[in-house]
Amino acid sequence: DAGVTQSPTHLIKTRGQQVTLRCSPKSGHDTVSWYQQALGQGPQFIFQYYEEEERQRGNFPDRFSGHQFPNYSSELNVNALLLGDSALYLCASSSWPGHTEAFFGQGTRLTVV
Amino acid sequence: EDQVTQSPEALRLQEGESSSLNCSYTVSGLRGLFWYRQDPGKGPEFLFTLYSAGEEKEKERLKATLTKKESFLHITAPKPEDSATYLCAVQGEANYQLIWGAGTKLIIKP
Repeated sequence: DAGVTQSPTHLIKTRGQQVTLRCSPKSGHDTVSWYQQALGQGPQFIFQYYEEEERQRGNFPDRFSGHQFPNYSSELNVNALLLGDSALYLCASSSWPGHTEAFFGQGTRLTVV
Repeated sequence: EDQVTQSPEALRLQEGESSSLNCSYTVSGLRGLFWYRQDPGKGPEFLFTLYSAGEEKEKERLKATLTKKESFLHITAPKPEDSATYLCAVQGEANYQLIWGAGTKLIIKP
């Protein structure tokens, strides 16, 4: 049983560019949440998708947007990249929005130069 | 405002030396408190969910406990493979997002 998979694993982008990160949830899960984790810090909630809609959003600017597809996979898009966007981006899946036994992918390490 | 504070930031132990990690929290109605383990460069790995004060859960050398203000992760006779960052998170009744602490980096020396 495949767990949560994220792609790519590493990415280097230039300031001002746009990036798309991808996530496939664990089999049987329909809810995807995205987190940003800076070095030495805990994850920060970006947003959550359920039934192809953004259900909740953390304190992140509109440059961060997402999408969920009918097969429950999800994308995170970040526009106009800033140096401060460099972080580990984590995707977590669960069986419904309120279910808190979330399973995480290995993350995408984004470096903005 | 919901908040989670973990202590200590780092903890170095000798193999077999038991200790505890602390997670203090403030939340408007606790839906659940969660412990995760994170290895360098990897995503967090789920360990425990605790829902109400007095609840305890165990897994191998780890035991998590919960009070109304804090949770402890007790590590008994740790081994070097227990070295990792241990993260605590809470979910309040207001919404479903997890609020995370900064973690405790645990190093077990052989």
